Amino acid sequence: GENVEQHPSTLSVQEGDSAVIKCTYSDSASNYFPWYKQELGKRPQLIIDIRSNVGEKKDQRIAVTLNKTAKHFSLHITETQPEDSAVYFCAARGPGGATNKLIFGTGTLLAVQP
Amino acid sequence: KAGVTQTPRYLIKTRGQQVTLSCSPISGHRSVSWYQQTPGQGLQFLFEYFSETQRNKGNFPGRFSGRQFSNSRSEMNVSTLELGDSALYLCASSLASTSGRANSYEQYFGPGTRLTVT
Repeated sequence: GENVEQHPSTLSVQEGDSAVIKCTYSDSASNYFPWYKQELGKRPQLIIDIRSNVGEKKDQRIAVTLNKTAKHFSLHITETQPEDSAVYFCAARGPGGATNKLIFGTGTLLAVQP
Repeated sequence: KAGVTQTPRYLIKTRGQQVTLSCSPISGHRSVSWYQQTPGQGLQFLFEYFSETQRNKGNFPGRFSGRQFSNSRSEMNVSTLELGDSALYLCASSLASTSGRANSYEQYFGPGTRLTVT
């Protein structure tokens, strides 16, 4: 069935370093891949997304890359700051036009040490 | 624009009872999806409503149901509550436009309803 694997489950970096979180999806027909940041006790917040017809997208310190052949996509955060500490979820949208179903990865707890 | 809102924010129920949760999407958004978040299972898709019709459903028992009104507001209902239903229930709204606009797929979450079943 549909599945999204996410690694690592926890990631600790020093302030200023880069962080990379990787996801693999199973359904080759998936066409949209968002990333969410969830701080403790708060709602998931959409931080960046990419469609299947694009290989890379950047927004200031964050970027997402997509490899459709390998069914991999990754989140890259550069110059990390303590406020980047949170749980990050990747997701894949189901195939077809008539669905907004998102399959989520299991999350990565990112800790940025000052 | 106001964000997605959910009521109530917290709820404590007893096994066997039923509960109704409400979600008001961002103005202009036509799609509302519901997700269950638990420490063990993560974020799991429950169902999606678009133009008052359920157009996708996750792998949850029939005790979980929902509906959408003409103003796009949505409710979900859980009947015969079980201890395992304790979770954070999140709804997410989306434009879901067929125009192909870049933001058509973006989903924005509400703050969630924390349900505790005792």
